Amino acid sequence: EIVLTQSPATLSLSPGERATLSCRASQSVGRYLAWYQQKSGQAPRLLIYETSNRATGIPARFSGSGSGTDFTLTISSLEPEDFAVYYCQHRSNLWTFGQGTKVEVK
Amino acid sequence: EVQLLESGGGLVQPGGSLRLSCAASGFTFTTYAMSWVRQAPGKGLEWVSCISGDGSDPYYADSVKGRFTISRDNSKDTLYLQLNSLRAEDTAVYYCAKNVPPETSKWFDPWGQGTLVTVSS
Repeated sequence: EIVLTQSPATLSLSPGERATLSCRASQSVGRYLAWYQQKSGQAPRLLIYETSNRATGIPARFSGSGSGTDFTLTISSLEPEDFAVYYCQHRSNLWTFGQGTKVEVK
Repeated sequence: EVQLLESGGGLVQPGGSLRLSCAASGFTFTTYAMSWVRQAPGKGLEWVSCISGDGSDPYYADSVKGRFTISRDNSKDTLYLQLNSLRAEDTAVYYCAKNVPPETSKWFDPWGQGTLVTVSS
């Protein structure tokens, strides 16, 4: 089964800064990778699917890139509501998640 | 608007059983596979189980295979998860989620608000 490894575990940034989150797969997943945002006490929300497609209602400051085994979620300029935990996810035979990256206020 | 509403969580003793429900609305339920994803306190997301739109194909994570059973009632637009032989490590918030797109079921969108299962004596 494919393992997804996210880095860093925690990212400490200030509002207005650029956030770059990484997700590495143990073997190629093509472009079939998604990103989710989970705010404290809330259910996760789909942000990006198939590497770079924003889900409905997701602001343009969120972008995804990559292919094969290395993927990046970029938040161009952090808004106060963006401080949250972010997970990457892939489906091969079954569904797997990365362990998450927490974006916290510096 | 798509809505998913879970219920059925609670406190149960180790070895006990519980049935979770997820009432769906706002979309054609039979078109989509549906999943359960859980999150232990302070931990990350773990996919638990998925069932095809017609209910004929269930899938399970190794951690729950043989103990949990997923099902759906398409006449009631409701998803279920039967949890048997519960262990302390099954303590988590259980989310139901709609699999998209219908052709490949690769992603989860949207998610319900979750129901908490606590396994403790």
